[in-house]
Amino acid sequence: DIQLTQAPSLLSASIGDRVTISCRASQDIYSYLAWYQQKPGKAPKLLIFGTSSLQSGVPSRFSGSGSGTEFTLTISSLQPEDCATYYCQQLNSYSLTFGGGTKVEIK
Amino acid sequence: QVQLQESGPGLVKPSQTLSLTCTVSGDSISSSNYYWNWIRQPAGKGLEWIGRIYTSGITHSKPSLRSRVTISIDTSKKQFSLRLTSVTAADTAVYYCARAPIVGITTGSLEYWGQGILVTVSS
Repeated sequence: DIQLTQAPSLLSASIGDRVTISCRASQDIYSYLAWYQQKPGKAPKLLIFGTSSLQSGVPSRFSGSGSGTEFTLTISSLQPEDCATYYCQQLNSYSLTFGGGTKVEIK
Repeated sequence: QVQLQESGPGLVKPSQTLSLTCTVSGDSISSSNYYWNWIRQPAGKGLEWIGRIYTSGITHSKPSLRSRVTISIDTSKKQFSLRLTSVTAADTAVYYCARAPIVGITTGSLEYWGQGILVTVSS
């Protein structure tokens, strides 16, 4: 299986800060990388697909970048409603895998 | 608007079989442009993909669960199902169903999810 390692696992930032979450794959996954936001008691919500494409309805402060084995989710200006856990996910094999998650808190 | 809804028992005894169904509304389940997934999440932990099924009936599942997992689809009922045999307390989790497209760069992204159903394994 392809492993995804997210960093950091916990991130505390202030409103308006630029926030960056890293996702590293154990092998090349090309561009088949997605990002999700999950709030407590809710199903995950797709934010980014294909590494950098914004899902319809997602605020433009969210962006994704990367290629190969290194990927990044950026929130350009952190808002209170962005408090959540974020997961990366890959599909470049018969198995789909998720990263371990990054919890984003307001400082 | 596409909606998915999980259903099934919330309590399963150890060594028995967990059976869940996902009902799809708002779109066809028969389209070859999508596949249908099961994902689970133990309390306070991360997401774990269990497996998927194509409308053709082809399935793929996580290697460590493969021997216990069966996924099936009934297009006439707009449902797909999960069976997980020989359950233990480690299988206690919220179980989600989700749809993923098979179209270009959207491939594999889980665009629609059910609300999730808590399944507890306990005697």
